[in-house]
Parts: sequence; C-alpha cells; structure tokens
Amino acid sequence: ETGVTQTPRHLVMGMTNKKSLKCEQHLGHNAMYWYKQSAKKPLELMFVYSLEERVENNSVPSRFSPECPNSSHLFLHLHTLQPEDSALYLCASSQIGQAGYGYTFGSGTRLTVV
Amino acid sequence: KQEVTQIPAALSVPEGENLVLNCSFTDSAIYNLQWFRQDPGKGLTSLLLIQSSQREQTSGRLNASLDKSSGRSTLYIAASQPGDSATYLCAVRDGNNRLAFGKGNQVVVIP
Repeated sequence: ETGVTQTPRHLVMGMTNKKSLKCEQHLGHNAMYWYKQSAKKPLELMFVYSLEERVENNSVPSRFSPECPNSSHLFLHLHTLQPEDSALYLCASSQIGQAGYGYTFGSGTRLTVV
Repeated sequence: KQEVTQIPAALSVPEGENLVLNCSFTDSAIYNLQWFRQDPGKGLTSLLLIQSSQREQTSGRLNASLDKSSGRSTLYIAASQPGDSATYLCAVRDGNNRLAFGKGNQVVVIP
C-alpha cells in the first residue's frame, strides 16, 4: 500500500448509529488531517493532528470525534449525525516544516446520513 | 483569514485548446501553493507544488506559475484532452501549516 488509504469508500448510516472512518498513511508524514467537502463549498478543515498535538476547528460539532493512536493512523468517530452531515470526508497527510512537501489526500469516504 | 478565489468557476473548451485556470489569494505570506485535480466523487490528486521562493513548476503538459506579491497563480494545461475533464483546486499553505482552498475550476473538454 502506498499513499493515503481511507475506508470505507461509501457509508450509509442512520441518525442514531455510531460508525467510524479510518485513514492510514504510508508516507512517513508527521501530520494528518480530516476535511469535509460538501457540494458547492470549499473544503473545510475539521481536525489536525501534528506531532501528536490535536488542533480542531471550533465550528465542528461534537458528534464528530477524532482519534489518532499513532502517526500513521487516524480515525473519525461518528454518532447521532444529522442529514446535513452527508458529504465527502477526506483524510490527508503532510510533513510539517518541509516547504517542498505538499499534502497527500486519500480517496475519501462518501457519507450519507438517512 | 486567507481567502482563495478561482476564476472561472466552470468552463468548457474543445479538445486541443490550451486551458488557463486562475487562482488568487488575499494573504501573500504563503509557505507554498498546490494545484490538485479532483474527479467526481473522488479524492484529490496533487498535480504541482510551487514553493514560495519559486516562480513556476512544470510537469508534462502542465505548467503552474506563482506571483506571490500580487497573490496570483495560474495553471496552464497545453493541448487539452477529454481526460483532462475534472475539477481543479488551488490551495495555499500558510506558516501554520494550514491549507486554504478555493472552490475549484470545473473543466469540461469537448471531444
């Protein structure tokens, strides 16, 4: 496996369910991110884990809960979501402190909340 | 707060024409700028990265320029092909390692 891998690719869940999205990076990067992409909107940064420090966007609802057990793995735990949370969720990684390195994105998880 | 604007939002060109996609940003204190391609329902694929000290980068038919002082970048795609149909996203990275994205240029290349 190379790059950034996200699972599952598609997820349909009810508003009372609990599910988790998984991301794994094989690039040796030291930072990982969750982004949300909704129709007709720019990508929105949800959470950052860099050098084991978590930084979050204060506008993200508490029904989204990230977990980063190590520098290669990132999870997004979902519970009691709303239909407006339906979107493409993208994971990315980067190497902090290296201007010559960009972000690498996964293929995303298409989430539908019913 | 960094604002990134991409113009035009959507364009259609006949196959073989050159594509010119524009990106502007409000804060010139950037770390680097990255152009991505996104196919419908898919993730982002990195095309080119320009460091803040560079003026341009080239890869095959793609060329991206950066004018940091005026807050502009342009992506040129030479001799467009139907396979170039996609959304192209511009993203600028600041000193805090945050990426700010534009809404994208949606491109259709007509055979």
